[in-house]
Amino acid sequence: DTGVSQDPRHKITKRGQNVTFRCDPISEHNRLYWYRQTLGQGPEFLTYFQNEAQLEKSRLLSDRFSAERPKGSFSTLEIQRTEQGDSAMYLCASSPSESNTEAFFGQGTRLTVV
Amino acid sequence: SQELEQSPQSLIVQEGKNLTINCTSSKTLYGLYWYKQKYGEGLIFLMMLQKGGEEKSHEKITAKLDEKKQQSSLHITASQPSHAGIYLCGADISWVGSNYKLTFGKGTLLTVNP
Repeated sequence: DTGVSQDPRHKITKRGQNVTFRCDPISEHNRLYWYRQTLGQGPEFLTYFQNEAQLEKSRLLSDRFSAERPKGSFSTLEIQRTEQGDSAMYLCASSPSESNTEAFFGQGTRLTVV
Repeated sequence: SQELEQSPQSLIVQEGKNLTINCTSSKTLYGLYWYKQKYGEGLIFLMMLQKGGEEKSHEKITAKLDEKKQQSSLHITASQPSHAGIYLCGADISWVGSNYKLTFGKGTLLTVNP
């Protein structure tokens, strides 16, 4: 399967714990995005990488959130001291560096904070 | 207020019927993307529109972007149960040509009864 891969698909954690999600983009895609989607809403942009450089972060990304893409390939999204409000679907997407191309989304990681 | 308004929020149709979903913005849409999402899963790309008046079709789905590039419609002809899901419009409304940070509508939940 050469699509965008996310791991894990589901994560249940206790409030206050740290969690880390991984995203493997399509191999030749330079751009990588993280979005968050809550029930009944569309995805909301969190952050964007061009290769290993994190070029933009949304205000939604509080200090408890950190994302990395160390070698310009896979990316990780870490949430520290999770809160119940962090419960959501975390979606990763990738696209080529050329403009006017669609982003391909992974299946998402569903986080439940109890 | 929502930057991208989708209507209707939900739709129930009988198999074989035609239907239309609308996506409206108060800002110019620099790239309009339609995605489909099954509950709890990732987004599947359907179509991308960029030019005013542009229309694209794939199988029984047709998407249009109006001349002013502020409204798009998605039309499904002779609906089938396989068309059921959440339809999301996403658009780049922040910067001409960036296409990396999409703003999404809340989605339209489509149910097709056999």
